[in-house]
This record gives sequence, C-alpha cells and structure tokens, in this order.
Amino acid sequence: AQSVTQLDSQVPVFEEAPVELRCNYSSSVSVYLFWYVQYPNQGLQLLLKYLSGSTLVKGINGFEAEFNKSQTSFHLRKPSVHISDTAEYFCAVEAAGNKLTFGGGTRVLVKP
Amino acid sequence: DAGVTQSPTHLIKTRGQQVTLRCSPISGHKSVSWYQQVLGQGPQFIFQYYEKEERGRGNFPDRFSARQFPNYSSELNVNALLLGDSALYLCASSTSSEGATYEQYFGPGTRLTVT
Repeated sequence: AQSVTQLDSQVPVFEEAPVELRCNYSSSVSVYLFWYVQYPNQGLQLLLKYLSGSTLVKGINGFEAEFNKSQTSFHLRKPSVHISDTAEYFCAVEAAGNKLTFGGGTRVLVKP
Repeated sequence: DAGVTQSPTHLIKTRGQQVTLRCSPISGHKSVSWYQQVLGQGPQFIFQYYEKEERGRGNFPDRFSARQFPNYSSELNVNALLLGDSALYLCASSTSSEGATYEQYFGPGTRLTVT
C-alpha cells in the first residue's frame, strides 16, 4: 500500500516570494508521482508529474519539483508566487492501474 | 475538445435516500475513475472502470456502486445516504488502465450535501 504525507496544511506567503510545499511518500514498489492544484470550487488540474529519468521535473505555471528516492520525497517549488497561485495543492502517488493516493493537501495563501 | 464533464453540479439529498452521479470522459478515453473528497481532505479513490469492467475498488462500503456504459460514460450510485457521504465527488478519465497511465484528467466534480 502507498501513503502520502504533506507536511504543511497551510502555507502563507507574500507575493513574489518563493514557496516550497513538502511531500513525502511511502511505497514498497516503484511509484509515479504527481502534483495537482485545486482552485476554489473546481476540480483538480495536473501541475507536473515524475515518471522516470531526470529527478527535476518542470511543470506548468512556473512550478517545479524534485524527486528524491532516498528520502522518498517530492517537494514542489516556485521561485516567485503570484496572487493567482492561491489554491490547494495535492501530492499524489500511483503504483499501478490508475489508483491515485493523495496527501491531505496544502493550502497556499498568497498575500499582497 | 471538451474535458471531463459531470452532472449535476450540486445536489442536496436526505439521509436514507439514493443518489446517482454522472460522468462523461474525454473523447477517446476508455478509463473512468471516481474519487470522494471530503471537505478539508485529499481525494480518496472509490472505483476505476475500464472497458465497462471494474478494475479497482477503494475502501468504501457496498452502498457505493458504479458502472460504465458502452460510450465509456459512467455513473456512481450511493444508496442509503449518510451524513458522512457529504463530499465533492470527482470523476477522472484516462486513456488506459494497463499499468500506470501517467495522467488522469479530472472533472469539476459534483458537490453532494446530505441533510
């Protein structure tokens, strides 16, 4: 079985400042890793994914994440946030067959 | 191209009633998965269907059931509703179910409130 822990439930950050959202996972098999964003009253939108290869993954809207196998982490970063980045962010793992296991989410509040 | 669509957007039901939620996948996608997202939590996997067959089931009671139609659309049914069933129900579609498919596309969800 897989599990995902997002270490911060809320992250307040000032506009144009950097942000890092932490994600740790556990799994007995190789996994694929994802970050999704959810804006208020909307579904989930894929930000980026790690399948294999380079451990630094670049996604949409200036986000990137780094896969660290030894630390079983997949932290999400953005060097400079905008007000529009205010949303909830979910880390997820998939071992096989479409079943995504999500973390509890991190709410990012960008302040002017 | 249209994305994943779900209906209805919102609905309110009373405890003990039954509800049916509908999902239309992206054209060409044969796999549909359902997730439950309780307020303040991450989504939890309920079911996955591929080519009209159930391919996966999460840890949900038998009150939850689903099916997939020949056009790959899907319905999620919940019987004997409980207050705890109040949640956002998300549908996701993808191209296949053979191993990991790398990306699922989510619909906007159906907000179910049970009173």
